[in-house]
Amino acid sequence: GENVEQHPSTLSVQEGDSAVIKCTYSDSASNYFPWYKQELGKRPQLIIDIRSNVGEKKDQRIAVTLNKTAKHFSLHITETQPEDSAVYFCAASTPGDGNKLTFGTGTQLKVEL
Amino acid sequence: DVKVTQSSRYLVKRTGEKVFLECVQDMDHENMFWYRQDPGLGLRLIYFSYDVKMKEKGDIPEGYSVSREKKERFSLILESASTNQTSMYLCASSKAVPYEQYFGPGTRLTVT
Repeated sequence: GENVEQHPSTLSVQEGDSAVIKCTYSDSASNYFPWYKQELGKRPQLIIDIRSNVGEKKDQRIAVTLNKTAKHFSLHITETQPEDSAVYFCAASTPGDGNKLTFGTGTQLKVEL
Repeated sequence: DVKVTQSSRYLVKRTGEKVFLECVQDMDHENMFWYRQDPGLGLRLIYFSYDVKMKEKGDIPEGYSVSREKKERFSLILESASTNQTSMYLCASSKAVPYEQYFGPGTRLTVT
């Protein structure tokens, strides 16, 4: 089955700096890559997703890039703010595996003032 | 606005007890999922269902079963709870796959 690795496990940045979280996946057939944000004590919520026919997608301060050849995708957050502090999870979905999501292990992002 | 609810936020059970966790969604979603979340391990899929009375094993189904008798309701059953099933359990639903999944608030289960 699919295997998703996520790095780093923790990330600390100064307010206003950029943050980058990277994920790699193992199954070249995977075609959908969402990112979820989970604030402390809250449920995970989708913040952005990308499908395999697209190389990059942006939504205000958040962007995701996908490199199908290398089988990795990244989340970029620019101009970080304290409210960006949370755990971020990447995931991959594979058509041949019921389209279920396989999640990475998460990145704890801390934005310091 | 999608709403996914879970029957309990916190639950304490004894080893060997049968445990039921219930999830209800109000958006007529076909797909429902049960995950467990443990520190450093992310979200791991236990079971999922694409339709009423249908179920598929996820990555860690051992020790669990599920039931989906109605479209809006998906139950996770621990037949005989063990201490290694102490975890946060999250339910999710989506209208299609692969598509955005909406999560419930989670149930923190402690088995003593």
